[in-house]
Amino acid sequence: GEQVEQLPSILRVQEGSSASINCSYEDSASNYFPWSKQEPGENPKLIIDIRSNMERKQIQELIVLLDKKAKRFSLHITDTQPGDSAMYFCAASFNTGNYKYVFGAGTRLKVIA
Amino acid sequence: ETAVFQTPNYHVTQVGNEVSFNCKQTLGHDTMYWYKQDSKKLLKIMFSYNNKQLIVNETVPRRFSPQSSDKAHLNLRIKSVEPEDSAVYLCASSFRRGVFFGKGTRLTVV
Repeated sequence: GEQVEQLPSILRVQEGSSASINCSYEDSASNYFPWSKQEPGENPKLIIDIRSNMERKQIQELIVLLDKKAKRFSLHITDTQPGDSAMYFCAASFNTGNYKYVFGAGTRLKVIA
Repeated sequence: ETAVFQTPNYHVTQVGNEVSFNCKQTLGHDTMYWYKQDSKKLLKIMFSYNNKQLIVNETVPRRFSPQSSDKAHLNLRIKSVEPEDSAVYLCASSFRRGVFFGKGTRLTVV
């Protein structure tokens, strides 16, 4: 299968707290997992990614974790700010040589001041 | 600035009309995509092109057809639009890392 499940679909957190978004994939051949952020009226933009040879990657307040055995990966935003409010999409790349991406359904994050 | 460019930004049309959306990427990527984003913001892949060869067709209705002249261009044609085609259509390109999106074309079918 090539589905990517993303949960939760809606997430509300207080400013300054952490937000976590979880994704799972089916194809064990997946080896690249990008996360995109889409702000209202804008196109999705890549914010952080992780490859299958890593378990953890951090860029400032963004942390991604990958559990290949469980076929799960997650995005954690620490010290959330109102500017983090957006739609977030996870994706899994099935490396057939053509880098096909399958996206999760998205998570709407709302950071409450 | 290199990016993924889509035109038009918005399009309103009547049921049964034909529409075409254009997409050009200046990132030098080999693979381009069309995604449909519905009112709930769900992203669903429609087509994927790698070096002008269709590599993914997610069983979209036959009225949708991708058109590509070279690896930097991937257009989307809808032969006879239906009300359920109202959505934002996002073009994207990718290489080894990441997928880069255009700003989208919002289609409204009345």
